[in-house]
Parts: sequence; structure tokens; C-alpha cells
Amino acid sequence: RKEVEQDPGPFNVPEGATVAFNCTYSNSASQSFFWYRQDCRKEPKLLMSVYSSGNEDGRFTAQLNRASQYISLLIRDSKLSDSATYLCVVNAPNDYKLSFGAGTTVTVRA
Amino acid sequence: ETGVTQSPTHLIKTRGQQVTLRCSSQSGHNTVSWYQQALGQGPQFIFQYYREEENGRGNFPPRFSGLQFPNYSSELNVNALELDDSALYLCASSLVMTSGNTGELFFGEGSRLTVL
Repeated sequence: RKEVEQDPGPFNVPEGATVAFNCTYSNSASQSFFWYRQDCRKEPKLLMSVYSSGNEDGRFTAQLNRASQYISLLIRDSKLSDSATYLCVVNAPNDYKLSFGAGTTVTVRA
Repeated sequence: ETGVTQSPTHLIKTRGQQVTLRCSSQSGHNTVSWYQQALGQGPQFIFQYYREEENGRGNFPPRFSGLQFPNYSSELNVNALELDDSALYLCASSLVMTSGNTGELFFGEGSRLTVL
């Protein structure tokens, strides 16, 4: 089983729509969770950290469900500039590596 | 811009050759990690260097090796190249937290290697 699994999509949504997707992780001891964004042929960049209580950053909302071992990302009022691949990232305690999912592709159309 | 620079940006090699990729980390960061990203996949951890020593290694064979220099810059060397080594190689700099975990990763734009 992969450490981090994501629905690859693509999710094709119109501008202004809400889109949400999940990822699951296999290591129940994982402590740190992140969403990274990767534009086509570019490097990944941190979008937001995911906290146990859930957190928002503008139009983006991240949730963590430890019992079911999944993380979600919701994007409200989608913009064309939100088109990208969103990478789910997990870090186990005392583990220096970050484990990346394969990414979920979102395309926002006009 | 993250301040992490990688070179070369693109290169083509043939099977059996060797390659060296270089990375300059962001100012103030003491740790460099290397990731391999194949097409359509997420980045896969190769190894991490902290204080010039390998600090952790992913599931990659010994022909993948690296160095970190006193100025925290780093090299990734791959010997006996195989076709499956074709990928984007990403360098990321970070600060190791007191918990032992890695803080936010700041990636360079990557070196795109094609093995023919």
C-alpha cells in the first residue's frame, strides 16, 4: 500500500465553483500534514499546513481526520489561477522525509 | 522565488553514463533533500543531508549518492544511468526542527534528466 494516496482527478470545474478532494495516508503515527501546489512543469510550493482542528487560508480549507487517516482540501470560489496539481504530503514523527501523494489535478475553466 | 537554485535545468544522457546535479540552498537553511519526480507521480524522497552527512535515505540504490558542502550546497550523483532514471530531480532546502522533523521544504525548479 502506498504511504499517501490521492484521487488523481482531473477535476474540471467552472470558475466560481467549489471543489473538494481527499487523500489517505497509511502511517497512523504521522504527525505533520501539508498541501503543496505544483503548476505544470514547475516545482512544488507549500499551499498550507493542515492542523488537527482544521484550518482556513482565504478560499482554501483543509481538514484532518485522524481516525480515518485522511486529509481533505476544499477550494471555494475557484479562480482560473487555481488550476494546478495539489500534492498531499505527510511527515511521520522523527522522520526527515516528506511522503508525497501523486497529486490531484484541478482545472478551472472560464 | 525560493532562493534554491539548481543546475543544469535540462540534460540528456545515455544509459550507463554518470550525472552530477547541483543545488544551492536557501540562505539560512542547514538541510538539503533530494527528490525524484517521474512523470505523473509525486516526488519520491532520495536522501537528505544535514551538516554534510546523509541524514536519511529513501528506497534508492547505492548508485544514487550525494554530498553536502560546508556552505550547505549539495550534489546528487547518479552512476550507471538507466532509462527509468529519467525524471525531474528536485532539490529542497529546509531547517530541521528540534523535534527532528523537517520544516517547510523550499524547492528549486529542478533538473530534468532524460536518459536515452
